Amino acid sequence: QTVVTQEPSFSVSPGGTVTFTCGLSSGSVSASDFPSWYQQTPGQTPRTLIYNTNTRSSGVPARFSGSILGNKAALTITGAQADDDSDYYCVLYMSSGIWVFGGGTKLTVL
Amino acid sequence: EVHLVESGGGLVQPGGSLRLSCADPGSTFSGYWMSWVRQAPGKGLEWLANIKQDGSVKYYVDSVKGRFTISRDNAKNSLYLQMSSLRAEDTAVYYCARVGVCGYCFDYWGQGTLVTVSS
Repeated sequence: QTVVTQEPSFSVSPGGTVTFTCGLSSGSVSASDFPSWYQQTPGQTPRTLIYNTNTRSSGVPARFSGSILGNKAALTITGAQADDDSDYYCVLYMSSGIWVFGGGTKLTVL
Repeated sequence: EVHLVESGGGLVQPGGSLRLSCADPGSTFSGYWMSWVRQAPGKGLEWLANIKQDGSVKYYVDSVKGRFTISRDNAKNSLYLQMSSLRAEDTAVYYCARVGVCGYCFDYWGQGTLVTVSS
């Protein structure tokens, strides 16, 4: 069974930079897994941030960027703001036609 | 404008069945793969199932195979999830999501409908 791993939590100061990662329990994440990233605040619907590894969705601020770092997908927030305080989820598309979400990373901006 | 609206959630007893619907009256619904994703209380997102534009191909996560069935009616711009043999661990908010123009990502989400499985 494929498990997608994410750090459970992070904290960052306003204006700081933070990088979350999205890995596989066995193997490496690559662009062919089409990693995408979603932001969700409690009680709200997920919002698409990044797709196809590094493409920002419409209206997403430039401080959000995606990449492959080593054997993982990564989401970087450069210049964090208070309203970035949210949960962040990555999802990978498996070639078998299924998708697998990571467990999510809770970001605290303080 | 895409506006996905789920309905059909509620309280159901263990072992029971429920059918969720997701409607999108105003969009080109039939041109996209569609998915169901759920989120148990206080937990993360879990992808459940996908269906191709014409309904001919479907994929499921192992935990719901044989119990849940995804379907669609393009004439009604509607997506469905028939759930049976429900368990307490199926308690969650269920979202429909469009696999969008981004290729392999979910570009639009419904607001979710809560399913509670309890006696």
